[in-house]
Amino acid sequence: EVQLVQSGAEVKKPGESLKISCKVSGYSFTTSWIAWVRQMPGKGLEWMGMIHPADSDTRYSPSFQGQVTISADKSLRTAYLQWSSLKASDTAMYYCARRPNYYYSDCWGQGTLVTVSS
Amino acid sequence: QPVLTQSSSASASLGSSVKLTCTLSSGHSSYIIAWHQQQPGKAPRYLMKLEGSGSYNKESGVPDRFSGSSSGADRYLTISNLQFEDEADYYCETWDRNTYVIFGGGTKLTVL
Repeated sequence: EVQLVQSGAEVKKPGESLKISCKVSGYSFTTSWIAWVRQMPGKGLEWMGMIHPADSDTRYSPSFQGQVTISADKSLRTAYLQWSSLKASDTAMYYCARRPNYYYSDCWGQGTLVTVSS
Repeated sequence: QPVLTQSSSASASLGSSVKLTCTLSSGHSSYIIAWHQQQPGKAPRYLMKLEGSGSYNKESGVPDRFSGSSSGADRYLTISNLQFEDEADYYCETWDRNTYVIFGGGTKLTVL
């Protein structure tokens, strides 16, 4: 069974750094893209970017380019989303999702709630 | 770049059928999309991949009540014999070589 298990909820202050994770199981990590998707409170889904763990090829949405960094560790079967300096506007639920090809996501993580507040 | 347009809300009675629509913008009517369901307080769940031909491929475990179809630039998700557990937000998703992943704004389905 394919599973994506995300790290737990985080509460941070503005300006702090953060790295959240998405650990996969049930398939070969290097055969699919892993995407990150933001959902702000009461809003829809926004694609942030994605990484192919085989070669770390990474693509970003223009809206998030330079704001976050996506990475992956093949040995740990884990993808990451990180911020160097959080803002209150980063408060949201973040999901990782497997993309077996370019076209669509077919399995989602349970989400990581990030709260940024002074 | 493609845009996916969804109605913001829909409602239907328990036991009836509903057809949700996702419309691809001009010039992108052949695109493959995916449908996802997000029940309240839960992560999204992948339902199916849907091609412009109307051919669809459901994820294992998705009830037979869910089906997909296409007409031109429109992609449909039909839910038959509506249940209360079908009350959720439904999102369509597509991919473009230049803009990569695009989501529709989502349709909030209420089961009356």
